[in-house]
Amino acid sequence: GENVEQHPSTLSVQEGDSAVIKCTYSDSASNYFPWYKQELGKRPQLIIDIRSNVGEKKDQRIAVTLNKTAKHFSLHITETQPEDSAVYFCAASKDGNQFYFGTGTSLTVIP
Amino acid sequence: DVKVTQSSRYLVKRTGEKVFLECVQDMDHENMFWYRQDPGLGLRLIYFSYDVKMKEKGDIPEGYSVSREKKERFSLILESASTNQTSMYLCASSIHYEQYFGPGTRLTVT
Repeated sequence: GENVEQHPSTLSVQEGDSAVIKCTYSDSASNYFPWYKQELGKRPQLIIDIRSNVGEKKDQRIAVTLNKTAKHFSLHITETQPEDSAVYFCAASKDGNQFYFGTGTSLTVIP
Repeated sequence: DVKVTQSSRYLVKRTGEKVFLECVQDMDHENMFWYRQDPGLGLRLIYFSYDVKMKEKGDIPEGYSVSREKKERFSLILESASTNQTSMYLCASSIHYEQYFGPGTRLTVT
C-alpha cells in the first residue's frame, strides 16, 4: 500500500516568515494530494489540494508544489500569522476511496 | 455548506462493552470514512464505504465493524471495547475526492 512520510513533525517560525512542510509518497499511482489544517480541538479542514497533472497551485498565502518524479509534495505558507498555528496533515490518494495521511506537522507562529 | 455530525463528542466506556459511534452527513455523498487519530500517528483509516451496504477495510480494521444502512449514516462498532481503542475517532464524507470531516468523538475505554 501507499506510505506517506511528513517532515518536520514540529515547526516554529516568527510571524511574517515562511513555513514549508514536506511529504513524500511511495505509490506512483497516487494522483490526488490534499493538505488539511487542524486547529486545537477542531476537525481537520481541507486548505488546498493538488492533482498529479499540475505542478503547483496557489491560494493567497498558501501554495502546494508537486514533483511526481521524486514523489514528493510540499506546502508553503508565506507571511505567516499567529492564526496559522495548527497541525497540518498531508495525504495521498489514487482513487478517492483510500486516503493515506502523513503523521502531521505542528506549526507554531511566534508573534 | 457540508455538514458532517457525530453522535457524541466524548464517550467513556468499560472494557468489553459494545460501542456504537454514529456519523451523519447531509450532502448526499457517496463515500464515507472512519479514521482514528492518535498522537504521532496521524489519521489511520479503519473502514470506508462507497455505497449503501458496501464497505471496505482500511489499514486497521481489527476489532471494528461498520454499518451503512442509509446513504447519510455510517456507523462504527466496537464489538468488545479494549483499552487500546482509546482514541479520537473521526468520520468523513467525500465527493470528487474532497473529504469533509466530522468534529470527532474522543473515546476513552477504562
